[in-house]
Amino acid sequence: ETGVTQSPTHLIKTRGQQVTLRCSSQSGHNTVSWYQQALGQGPQFIFQYYREEENGRGNFPPRFSGLQFPNYSSELNVNALELDDSALYLCASSLTGASYNEQFFGPGTRLTVL
Amino acid sequence: AQKITQTQPGMFVQEKEAVTLDCTYDTSDPSYGLFWYKQPSSGEMIFLIYQGSYDQQNATEGRYSLNFQKARKSANLVISASQLGDSAMYFCAMRGAGGYQKVTFGTGTKLQVIP
Repeated sequence: ETGVTQSPTHLIKTRGQQVTLRCSSQSGHNTVSWYQQALGQGPQFIFQYYREEENGRGNFPPRFSGLQFPNYSSELNVNALELDDSALYLCASSLTGASYNEQFFGPGTRLTVL
Repeated sequence: AQKITQTQPGMFVQEKEAVTLDCTYDTSDPSYGLFWYKQPSSGEMIFLIYQGSYDQQNATEGRYSLNFQKARKSANLVISASQLGDSAMYFCAMRGAGGYQKVTFGTGTKLQVIP
């Protein structure tokens, strides 16, 4: 059983650019959630994908968008990057329908916007 | 709306001693789940323990136990026999009922274990 993986590990972009972060779910999981964790803060929910559809979204603007693929892997896209987008981006996979839907997190992608 | 409050930004504990990390929550959902995660400096969130709102007994997982007091809306984590490797950030989190599995996190407590 493989765990959740994310790529890249680190990324540096400049303001105004676009970025794509990738996540591979844990084997057998059908749901992916994305979180943004600013330095010194707890993770903030961005959105969740289930069966390739977004089925929940936190308080993030539309320039944060995502995709989920048939193999349940996922992408997070951020357009028009701002300095405040600098954060650790965490992906979590889970199995909808399981007893309590424990989420398994990946190691994260650390994004720096200059 | 769900809210998690962790009032201890940092804690110190002597190796081999027990420590309690505080967590209070607020929700209007009748059914919910409470989680504790550990985040070492590497960044990965590691699941520690889960408590369902209807569970009659407090959850335990090895050295971790969750002191769940539903009437007080508290879900404190107790770590027994602290080890140096327990030094990390600890986050309390909640998942409410509903069609999707948004998890709301607290601001975390930084635990440092002293030899």
